[in-house]
Amino acid sequence: GAVVSQHPSWVICKSGTSVKIECRSLDFQATTMFWYRQFPKQSLMLMATSNEGSKATYEQGVEKDKFLINHASLTLSTLTVTSAHPEDSSFYICSARPPGRDLYNEQFFGPGTRLTVL
Amino acid sequence: AQSVTQLDSHVSVSEGTPVLLRCNYSSSYSPSLFWYVQHPNKGLQLLLKYTSAATLVKGINGFEAEFKKSETSFHLTKPSAHMSDAAEYFCVVSLWGFQKLVFGTGTRLLVSP
Repeated sequence: GAVVSQHPSWVICKSGTSVKIECRSLDFQATTMFWYRQFPKQSLMLMATSNEGSKATYEQGVEKDKFLINHASLTLSTLTVTSAHPEDSSFYICSARPPGRDLYNEQFFGPGTRLTVL
Repeated sequence: AQSVTQLDSHVSVSEGTPVLLRCNYSSSYSPSLFWYVQHPNKGLQLLLKYTSAATLVKGINGFEAEFKKSETSFHLTKPSAHMSDAAEYFCVVSLWGFQKLVFGTGTRLLVSP
């Protein structure tokens, strides 16, 4: 149980275009999902916290207008990288927190999406 | 503020020998602590978690970790390394009741035949 999927697993796009990444909790409902960014050989950095039915909470330094997050249902959150540039190239990982895990903040992670902007 | 320090960026072991990955944390309150493993170009898999129950925590694939409050440590161990254990390992801390996970910088485990 507690499986999280991401789609696509990798994407290549041209500079200036927008890319949407989906994160789904497959066997549980998640009121809270999280989006992380990972640079090569580095740790994960939290970008934003996504709450179903409300606006996402962004970490300091993350551009809200560039990284649009939508959490329209209890099993789906999307991250849209708008007007992507080469510096946005990275590994994006989402996670979801099953019900009842709030106290310990136990999160289950998706397999990640590799974004390359040319 | 809470933080986590992984003391080794790389650890090399031979197959069949013990594994020790070190982690120290800093937290003003009782933390939840996790170890995650990441294989190349993959997401993170939960190995084990400490949530204030038993201080010795057993996880998957033969891994275990011991929470030592006096030393503010949560080191990950395995009695005998397997080639498939080669991966990146992250120690993670979460303050109870808060949203964020704070990740260590990771330790790359290399296993040689």
